Amino acid sequence: EVQLVESGGGLVQPGGSLRLSCAASGFTFSSYWMFWVRQAPGKGLVWVSRINSDGSGTTYADSVKGRFTVSRDNAKNTLYLQMNSLRVEDTAVYYCARGGAILGVVYGLDVWGQGTTVTVSS
Amino acid sequence: DIQLTQSPSFLSASVGDRVTITCRASQGISSYLAWYQQKPGKAPKLLIYAASTLKSGVPSRFSGSGSGTEFTLTVSSLQPEDFATYFCQQPNSYPHTFGQGTKLEIK
Repeated sequence: EVQLVESGGGLVQPGGSLRLSCAASGFTFSSYWMFWVRQAPGKGLVWVSRINSDGSGTTYADSVKGRFTVSRDNAKNTLYLQMNSLRVEDTAVYYCARGGAILGVVYGLDVWGQGTTVTVSS
Repeated sequence: DIQLTQSPSFLSASVGDRVTITCRASQGISSYLAWYQQKPGKAPKLLIYAASTLKSGVPSRFSGSGSGTEFTLTVSSLQPEDFATYFCQQPNSYPHTFGQGTKLEIK
């Protein structure tokens, strides 16, 4: 079964750090671009970042650039999101997702994890 | 950044109804548009990609159309399990923005 399982969420104070993990199984993880998407309570989906299949290329939303770092360990089939200098407005459910692609072009996010909750509050 | 605007934001309909949701992009994105369904407390699910290609396993009552800046998601005959929130997303250029969502409720 194709599956993504996030972990690492929790309560952190403003200015603190957290590292999220996303364990992949049931597919060849190293062949896929991976993404992070977040959703604040009662709000819509917000694209956060992406990483290409070998980890050599990353992109971030302006709102997290310079504070968040996406990485992956293909040997461990795991995606990470290191979040530093956290702000109250980073409070959200964070989803990892697989980039579905045809001929190398991502067309959408075809597999999603269940999400992990990050709460930034004093 | 490309902005996606969905309309309506809320939609009340009955089982068996045909409904259409529109997603407008602030600039042309060819056919690089995906639609997702999200139920409360659950992760989104991909329904349609490349504007009109139904993901395997998604019921055929769902369909998508459009290109450029205007896209639609249509459900031909609503079933009870279709009441959810729907989001469009553009994977054309970074950031891969989402629309604000359309909540489809039972009338």
